Amino acid sequence: DSGVTQTPKHLITATGQRVTLRCSPRSGDLSVYWYQQSLDQGLQFLIQYYNGEERAKGNILERFSAQQFPDLHSELNLSSLELGDSALYFCASSVAGGLDIQYFGAGTRLSVL
Amino acid sequence: DAKTTQPNSMESNEEEPVHLPCNHSTISGTDYIHWYRQLPSQGPEYVIHGLTSNVNNRMASLAIAEDRKSSTLILHRATLRDAAVYYCILRAPGGGADGLTFGKGTHLIIQP
Repeated sequence: DSGVTQTPKHLITATGQRVTLRCSPRSGDLSVYWYQQSLDQGLQFLIQYYNGEERAKGNILERFSAQQFPDLHSELNLSSLELGDSALYFCASSVAGGLDIQYFGAGTRLSVL
Repeated sequence: DAKTTQPNSMESNEEEPVHLPCNHSTISGTDYIHWYRQLPSQGPEYVIHGLTSNVNNRMASLAIAEDRKSSTLILHRATLRDAAVYYCILRAPGGGADGLTFGKGTHLIIQP
């Protein structure tokens, strides 16, 4: 058990809809990262938050957004969903950032029908 | 980002050592070599990392070539639980972008 909790485990929705994925980091970790894993693109870094502030952006689409709340949990919002957004979404956390070890949650599997 | 090259897949027998290679010929002097693995139906997990010297921990050993252009992750006695995709990742300190860049990794198959 990594200590990182993601909910829900599975999500099924329709094209054009909006969903919110939630992540609770390990106790004491200030950084949260979001990754997407799809069959064709592999594991891709989307975005990082550190202590409530956006710190780094990866291959995140404009339709996607994230935030980190004062209690350090994070949410990833996906809107105007397309079939191609079907993927596993992982959250990871680390103590701070930089070269810190990242601890991953079990992921949320999103199916867009 | 400096690129890594790993074999697509490797097969080994249970209770035997496994050597997983990674080539990183364009590595810079400050890049750290990190290894993560992803077990089936799980999120990635950290395995080990190093800069220049060989490293050991309870999961594995990391052997780094003297010129740092390649490294090898060593599982001393593979178990069925070690069947996973192993990712070799270069990480630069102070880069400002702390997200991990995963390649395709090596799919390790363990035969009983």
